[in-house]
Amino acid sequence: KNQVEQSPQSLIILEGKNCTLQCNYTVSPFSNLRWYKQDTGRGPVSLTIMTFSENTKSNGRYTATLDADTKQSSLHITASQLSDSASYICVPQSGGSYIPTFGRGTSLIVHP
Amino acid sequence: DVKVTQSSRYLVKRTGEKVFLECVQDMDHENMFWYRQDPGLGLRLIYFSYDVKMKEKGDIPEGYSVSREKKERFSLILESASTNQTSMYLCASSPPTGPGELFFGEGSRLTVL
Repeated sequence: KNQVEQSPQSLIILEGKNCTLQCNYTVSPFSNLRWYKQDTGRGPVSLTIMTFSENTKSNGRYTATLDADTKQSSLHITASQLSDSASYICVPQSGGSYIPTFGRGTSLIVHP
Repeated sequence: DVKVTQSSRYLVKRTGEKVFLECVQDMDHENMFWYRQDPGLGLRLIYFSYDVKMKEKGDIPEGYSVSREKKERFSLILESASTNQTSMYLCASSPPTGPGELFFGEGSRLTVL
């Protein structure tokens, strides 16, 4: 069964600091992996997508990495802002299926 | 801009009532999904639909049914609401060429008393 483990479950950092969120998955066959950001009380929004051949991809202050061999991904946030406070959800997707597997998310709180 | 609209942001219902949650997308997407989200459990798939009048059970379909009479509209029905169905319900759509990005609505927070 496809599984996704995210760590840490929650994280509190000070504004301006960096942080890294981790994701381990067992989806097979692997097609791509997305990171979604979910603000409190809103629906998730895609931040970035990683395909099998990509190791690193940036979207502003967000940088995602992917190691398809070890089935690990990370999301690095640089110079955090208060608006980064949200849940970050790792979503690997199996090839041939349009139903993704959602991780439980990491809840990030950025304090001033 | 891509848009998925859920009819109600907040609902309060009584145990035993029939509840309809409506979702409309304007992207001409074939695939539509209903999830529920509870603290610590993440998003869990209730039902999905890959075409008009087509539906498939997700991981937790018990106590729910769905209707897709038109491509743009996907409804979630709670035939007899129970307190354990108090949750945030999220509708999403995605294009037919999978695996694609899911576009979510704002969510409907349902409280069953």
